[in-house]
Amino acid sequence: DQQVKQNSPSLSVQEGRISILNCDYTNSMFDYFLWYKKYPAEGPTFLISISSIKDKNEDGRFTVFLNKSAKHLSLHIVPSQPGDSAVYFCAASRGSNTGKLIFGQGTTLQVKP
Amino acid sequence: NAGVTQTPKFRILKIGQSMTLQCAQDMNHNYMYWYRQDPGMGLKLIYYSVGAGITDKGEVPNGYNVSRSTTEDFPLRLELAAPSQTSVYFCASKTGTGAPEQYFGPGTRLTVT
Repeated sequence: DQQVKQNSPSLSVQEGRISILNCDYTNSMFDYFLWYKKYPAEGPTFLISISSIKDKNEDGRFTVFLNKSAKHLSLHIVPSQPGDSAVYFCAASRGSNTGKLIFGQGTTLQVKP
Repeated sequence: NAGVTQTPKFRILKIGQSMTLQCAQDMNHNYMYWYRQDPGMGLKLIYYSVGAGITDKGEVPNGYNVSRSTTEDFPLRLELAAPSQTSVYFCASKTGTGAPEQYFGPGTRLTVT
């Protein structure tokens, strides 16, 4: 039972355009959602998070949108840069007692110059 | 600040051998985690700890053991290695309260043959 799903394995966009990465979840008890970026042979790097009580969070070029009724979140990167090429994971957390994260499968983003 | 460090970076084990993956953090984080990432998949939680002396199982604990004798260190022990344990292992940590984001080490790539 996959509670967090990223249905697009890959995405290719042109430099300067918008990248939109999507994530769906099934458990309505999740209270935090996070996005991580991962380069080859490195550990995941935290990008941005959003609490379930919000519907939008912005940090520079990165914006995360949360649609609780649809159990869907998305990460927007504007403008996309070649250095953004990486695997992006969404993750969800339920409760703050343990901080455990459940990850999606990841989406590989390629930004073409 | 070194953040989260992991040793070794790479290791090849024969079936039935044992080894310990080392993880250390210098951020005085109470919470620490071990994940594994199989090809094309997201990260799955193996074990976690909310403080020294306290550990608990994650999604995929079979074949592994952990201990947490200090705040800084969280080693992962593999007993009787099996080919199914071939994976990339990531250690992570986070502060005990508030923000949900975890900080990851660079990973250990383990091959069992």
